[in-house]
Amino acid sequence: RKEVEQDPGPFNVPEGATVAFNCTYSNSASQSFFWYRQDCRKEPKLLMSVYSSGNEDGRFTAQLNRASQYISLLIRDSKLSDSATYLCVVYSGGGADGLTFGKGTHLIIQP
Amino acid sequence: DAGVTQSPTHLIKTRGQQVTLRCSPKSGHDTVSWYQQALGQGPQFIFQYYEEEERQRGNFPDRFSGHQFPNYSSELNVNALLLGDSALYLCASSLVFRKITNSGANVLTFGAGSRLTVL
Repeated sequence: RKEVEQDPGPFNVPEGATVAFNCTYSNSASQSFFWYRQDCRKEPKLLMSVYSSGNEDGRFTAQLNRASQYISLLIRDSKLSDSATYLCVVYSGGGADGLTFGKGTHLIIQP
Repeated sequence: DAGVTQSPTHLIKTRGQQVTLRCSPKSGHDTVSWYQQALGQGPQFIFQYYEEEERQRGNFPDRFSGHQFPNYSSELNVNALLLGDSALYLCASSLVFRKITNSGANVLTFGAGSRLTVL
């Protein structure tokens, strides 16, 4: 079983719609969770951390389900500029080697 | 406040050659990590440098080596290039991990990457 798994997509979503995708992780001792956004041929950029109680940043909501070992990202009122690859990142401690990236979910917002 | 800068942005090499990639971390960061990102994959951890020493290493062969300088900048060297080394090489700076709180704000800041093509 892969450490961090994501549906690669692509998710084709009309502008204005709500879209959600999940990421599962295998290490139950994982400590911290993040979503990074990566535009085509660009570097990943931190979108948001994922806290145990769930957190919201504008149109973006992240949630953590420790029992089922997954995190989710929900985007409301999607914009064309939301088109990107969303990388799930899980930190299991022990320094940099404990930071694992998923392969990413490709999101395409269509006009 | 400059972010993470990498050079060169693109380069083409042939099999068997050697390459050196450079990275200057974000101001205030003291730790540099290098990642390899193949097309359609997530970044894979190569190694991390702190206080001019390699502190951790991922599952990469010894052909991959690095260095960190007193000003925190870093180099990644790859010897005996293979076709499979073609990828985007990302440098990420941060504060040393033990100083990181649960907040993700300072975990990793990436540079724009160096895209290496091996022919």
